[in-house]
Amino acid sequence: SQQGEEDPQALSIQEGENATMNCSYKTSINNLQWYRQNSGRGLVHLILIRSNEREKHSGRLRVTLDTSKKSSSLLITASRAADTASYFCATDAGGNNRLAFGKGNQVVVIP
Amino acid sequence: ETGVTQTPRHLVMGMTNKKSLKCEQHLGHNAMYWYKQSAKKPLELMFVYNFKEQTENNSVPSRFSPECPNSSHLFLHLHTLQPEDSALYLCASSQVTGYAEKLFFGSGTQLSVL
Repeated sequence: SQQGEEDPQALSIQEGENATMNCSYKTSINNLQWYRQNSGRGLVHLILIRSNEREKHSGRLRVTLDTSKKSSSLLITASRAADTASYFCATDAGGNNRLAFGKGNQVVVIP
Repeated sequence: ETGVTQTPRHLVMGMTNKKSLKCEQHLGHNAMYWYKQSAKKPLELMFVYNFKEQTENNSVPSRFSPECPNSSHLFLHLHTLQPEDSALYLCASSQVTGYAEKLFFGSGTQLSVL
């Protein structure tokens, strides 16, 4: 099954800056999801974008989806120290409605 | 709090021990999942239960044995584990709609096999 691949793998930014992460996938999808994980904890769902959507917002989060390039980006605006976490994209391209996760993208926000 | 509770939070066991992980969801969902998260690897889906029936077993070794007595509870029974089984084990739940809906995860059990 295919997996989302996040890029870059690790990002360190100053508080107040924007953080952008990218995710690529290999086959067609119905939806793509982003999750956040604080160290040693479970994943928390952030946002779901369907294949017929191009952009979605939730608070300080902005997700874009480009199905022609098979890629998505997650933008966190005005980052805070509490945004320090790992961020995962997940896709459902397997055809069995199961999510396949990428390896994750670690973001460190320096106060 | 996501509505999915996992116990214990931490578990240390020897290779000859038998232990069980427990998961309970209070969200009225009808699908439950076990995932394994190892360092520097993507999340691995282990088992899926829809309406208490196991619908997926991703070639998981038989030393891991799941049990789903009802839609709200999920167990993972462990026996004769290996050190490489040390990982964070995550339980999740979702609605079954025919699409890959969002997952609600528990906080996980950090397992160390000595």
